[in-house]
Amino acid sequence: EPEVTQTPSHQVTQMGQEVILRCVPISNHLYFYWYRQILGQKVEFLVSFYNNEISEKSEIFDDQFSVERPDGSNFTLKIRSTKLEDSAMYFCARRKGSTFQETQYFGPGTRLLVL
Amino acid sequence: QKEVEQNSGPLSVPEGAIASLNCTYSDRGSQSFFWYRQYSGKSPELIMFIYSNGDKEDGRFTAQLNKASQYVSLLIRDSQPSDSATYLCAVNLNTDKLIFGTGTRLQVFP
Repeated sequence: EPEVTQTPSHQVTQMGQEVILRCVPISNHLYFYWYRQILGQKVEFLVSFYNNEISEKSEIFDDQFSVERPDGSNFTLKIRSTKLEDSAMYFCARRKGSTFQETQYFGPGTRLLVL
Repeated sequence: QKEVEQNSGPLSVPEGAIASLNCTYSDRGSQSFFWYRQYSGKSPELIMFIYSNGDKEDGRFTAQLNKASQYVSLLIRDSQPSDSATYLCAVNLNTDKLIFGTGTRLQVFP
C-alpha cells in the first residue's frame, strides 16, 4: 500500500524552466520530506516540512527551491529555474509519528530530466 | 562531516545462502538506523529499523547494531533471487533528516 503518491512520474524540461513536483498523501499526514537521488548516487535530504513550515533544509535546498502545501493536501516542491544538475529522482517521504527516530516512508518518485 | 559508509559491491551470494551487508557511520550522536531496499529505478522501501544495541529479527532479516563500534549490519537468510537489489543504510541523528549511504548492490544467483 503506497504511503504517498507522486505526480508526475516523469518530467522532461528545458534548462531554465520552472517545474513543480507534487506529493499526495494517502491519509492525513503532518511530516513530509523531499529527497533526491542523482543517477548512481546516494539519496540526499533536501527539506522537511511540518505544520506548513520548513523544519529543516540542506545546503542543496537553495533559493531555487521552495515547498508548500497550498491546499492542505498536496505537498509540492518547486524548482524555479532548472539546471542540468537538477536531473534526478525526487522522492517525497512522510513520517507517521511525532519523533525524529520514527520511520520515513517513501513515495514512488518523480524522474526529472533537464535538457 | 557526518558520513554513512557502505561497500558498493556487488555482493554475490548463491540462492539459499546468508547475505551479510555492513554499514559504518561516523557520528556517535546517531539515534536510529534503517535499512531500505531499492530496486533499480524504484524508491527506497523499508526493510528494518533498529534503535538499540544488539540484534533485531524480522522473518529472514536480522539487523545488528553496535553503537560502540559505530556499526550496523543486515543479515538476509535463505537469500532469494528476488532479494537482488541495492540495500541502503540510513541513519538519523535525532534531527529531521536521514543520512544515507551509497548502498550495497546484492546479487543472488540461482
